[in-house]
Amino acid sequence: GENVEQHPSTLSVQEGDSAVIKCTYSDSASNYFPWYKQELGKGPQLIIDIRSNVGEKKDQRIAVTLNKTAKHFSLHITETQPEDSAVYFCAASLYSSASKIIFGSGTRLSIRP
Amino acid sequence: DGGITQSPKYLFRKEGQNVTLSCEQNLNHDAMYWYRQDPGQGLRLIYYSQIVNDFQKGDIAEGYSVSREKKESFPLTVTSAQKNPTAFYLCASSLTGAEQGAFFGQGTRLTVV
Repeated sequence: GENVEQHPSTLSVQEGDSAVIKCTYSDSASNYFPWYKQELGKGPQLIIDIRSNVGEKKDQRIAVTLNKTAKHFSLHITETQPEDSAVYFCAASLYSSASKIIFGSGTRLSIRP
Repeated sequence: DGGITQSPKYLFRKEGQNVTLSCEQNLNHDAMYWYRQDPGQGLRLIYYSQIVNDFQKGDIAEGYSVSREKKESFPLTVTSAQKNPTAFYLCASSLTGAEQGAFFGQGTRLTVV
């Protein structure tokens, strides 16, 4: 089955700097890769996603890149702000499969003022 | 407003008791999921359902049971056979195939007392 590894587990960056979180996946058939942000005591919220027919996707200060050959994908947050502090999860799933979404172990991002 | 609702937010259970967590969605999503989250860890899949009256075991189904009698509802029962039930439980839903991204509820924190 699919296995998703996520690094680093914790990340601290200065406000205004960029943050990068990396994930690798094992099942080459996976073709949908969402990213979630989870604030303390709340459920995860989808922030951006990418499909396997796309190499990069941007949404304001957030971007995601996908390297299908290497089976890894990354989240990039530029010009970080205090409200970016949260736990971020990557995930992988298989299009039109049994809808099984496999999550990485999470990255706790802290933004230093 | 469309969304996914979990109740209660906090739940206390005595050892040896079964308890049922509620999950309701009005997003007209076919697929629904239950995840367990332990402190500082990622999300582990308990059960998922693609369609009414059908569901599949996830990675940690032992000690749990579900039903899917209505499209909108996917209750999770934590049975006395679950040896370590204290955790944060998250319900999610998505369009079939998962490629549209899953929407999460706000979670139920279950504590065994």
